[in-house]
Amino acid sequence: GNSVTQMEGPVTLSEEAFLTINCTYTATGYPSLFWYVQYPGEGLQLLLKATKADDKGSNKGFEATYRKETTSFHLEKGSVQVSDSAVYFCALRVNTGNQFYFGTGTSLTVIP
Amino acid sequence: DAGVIQSPRHEVTEMGQEVTLRCKPISGHDYLFWYRQTMMRGLELLIYFNNNVPIDDSGMPEDRFSAKMPNASFSTLKIQPSEPRDSAVYFCASRPSGQGYGGELFFGEGSRLTVL
Repeated sequence: GNSVTQMEGPVTLSEEAFLTINCTYTATGYPSLFWYVQYPGEGLQLLLKATKADDKGSNKGFEATYRKETTSFHLEKGSVQVSDSAVYFCALRVNTGNQFYFGTGTSLTVIP
Repeated sequence: DAGVIQSPRHEVTEMGQEVTLRCKPISGHDYLFWYRQTMMRGLELLIYFNNNVPIDDSGMPEDRFSAKMPNASFSTLKIQPSEPRDSAVYFCASRPSGQGYGGELFFGEGSRLTVL
């Protein structure tokens, strides 16, 4: 089947620390991969995406590389800010359907 | 451009009451999705529509839940009768067709439902 597994949270980091949130997936077809971010009290919004193997998605200092060999799409940021505090969701969509499959979300808190 | 608009943002009701959540997708988007978010289960897809037609409702938890899309700019999710375990944040999302499978979902801000 299709599924996404994210690292368990919550994650607490100091400002300017390095961030990694792990995401691995299983897919029956060829997936596109996404990271969504949810700020408190808001809906999910797209952070970045990659649609084929070895593509790197990037936005707002965040990056993730589509690794087909390890079925992974880990989210990274070199220096987090307090404003990055949010819940991050990894998701996939396969080319054979319309559904998006979301991970359980990883809560990030950045302290000054 | 207006995003996905949901109402109400917050709803508090008593067990047994009917609840209706509303969604206006982005104009031109022909896919509409309803999700439920809880701490225990994360994001669950309840149902999605294409061109106002329900395509997959396998995520609808029980017969107490129903969803309609009478036209391209409006959808409702109804719970009747409501129960405390229905307390959650309900999200509506939409996307256009024709963007391949790399096209993103656009989410509303959600409706937080509390059933006492």
